[in-house]
Amino acid sequence: AQTVTQSQPEMSVQEAETVTLSCTYDTSESNYYLFWYKQPPSRQMILVIRQEAYKQQNATENRFSVNFQKAAKSFSLKISDSQLGDTAMYFCAFMDSNYQLIWGAGTKLIIKP
Amino acid sequence: GAGVSQSPSNKVTEKGKDVELRCDPISGHTALYWYRQSLGQGLEFLIYFQGNSAPDKSGLPSDRFSAERTGGSVSTLTIQRTQQEDSAVYLCASSLKNPPDTQYFGPGTRLTVL
Repeated sequence: AQTVTQSQPEMSVQEAETVTLSCTYDTSESNYYLFWYKQPPSRQMILVIRQEAYKQQNATENRFSVNFQKAAKSFSLKISDSQLGDTAMYFCAFMDSNYQLIWGAGTKLIIKP
Repeated sequence: GAGVSQSPSNKVTEKGKDVELRCDPISGHTALYWYRQSLGQGLEFLIYFQGNSAPDKSGLPSDRFSAERTGGSVSTLTIQRTQQEDSAVYLCASSLKNPPDTQYFGPGTRLTVL
């Protein structure tokens, strides 16, 4: 069975610092998609960044970037110059060949002023 | 434009009652998904609709759960004879086309079964 593991239940950093959230997954497939979603207290699940497994280049969206290591099955999210509005739950998700999203348990990120 | 909307925002019901949760996807989106999020957990896939095709019901946890999508737009998730373990946030998402197109989520319905 395919699984997604987020080993950090909670993290806390000072505003403007850089933080990295870890995610590992287990699959035997070669083509798949990986996502990071953010869920603030409003409950709205918001896409942060997306990576296609066939692309070697790491995805980047403004202050958000990923370190995708396909062989290690690792997909970490780096947030640079963190802001108070980044405080949220962050979920890593894997999309398999059946196009179902398989989710990690989430990491609670707190940005302190 | 308008995002995915869900109603009600919160629902409290008594054990054994039936509940209906509604999802309005983004206009023009052909795919619609339902997920369940238990407290402090990740999301659990429930069901997926794509156009006029038969839905993928593989994630529904029991036959008490059902969903329909009328006219390729609005969807209703029905839970019959609710149990306390059904308490969770139910999230709906839609995407423009087939997967792996990006899914856009609604704010969810928090269901509490007493």
